[in-house]
Amino acid sequence: GENVEQHPSTLSVQEGDSAVIKCTYSDSASNYFPWYKQELGKGPQLIIDIRSNVGEKKDQRIAVTLNKTAKHFSLHITETQPEDSAVYFCAASKGNSGYALNFGKGTSLLVTP
Amino acid sequence: KAGVTQTPRYLIKTRGQQVTLSCSPISGHRSVSWYQQTPGQGLQFLFEYFSETQRNKGNFPGRFSGRQFSNSRSEMNVSTLELGDSALYLCASSFSSGSGEEQYFGPGTRLTVT
Repeated sequence: GENVEQHPSTLSVQEGDSAVIKCTYSDSASNYFPWYKQELGKGPQLIIDIRSNVGEKKDQRIAVTLNKTAKHFSLHITETQPEDSAVYFCAASKGNSGYALNFGKGTSLLVTP
Repeated sequence: KAGVTQTPRYLIKTRGQQVTLSCSPISGHRSVSWYQQTPGQGLQFLFEYFSETQRNKGNFPGRFSGRQFSNSRSEMNVSTLELGDSALYLCASSFSSGSGEEQYFGPGTRLTVT
């Protein structure tokens, strides 16, 4: 089955700096790659996603890049703020009957003022 | 639009008992997926329902089951609870069933098995 690896497991940055989280996937048939942010006591919140026919997508301070050849994708957060502190998960899925997300183990991001 | 709702939010059960968790998807969404989240295993897919049919199933024992009703609401059941079933159970809904469909998660049900 699909295996998604996520690095680093923890990341600490100063407010205003950039943060980068990287994921790799094993199944070349995967074609959808969402990123989720989970705050304490809450469910994961979809923050951005990318499909396999696109190499990069940006939404304000957040961007995601995808390299299909290398089977890896990354989340970039610029101008980090303390409220960005949370656990971030990458996921991958492929087109088939039924919908299943395969998640990475998560990255705990801490943004210090 | 109201988000995904899950009830109850917290539950404490004893080993050997069974439990039923409920999920109401976002209005108009017809696909409901269930995930188990634990510190050790992370987020793992349980199963997905679309139009009252189970379309996909993860690698969990048969003690874990689910169903979906005609109004798209879904329930999952765990029978003969084990200590290892203690976890946050998350429900996610999407408009249809297929890769590339955005999934939106509820707040989860925290199940503790003693």
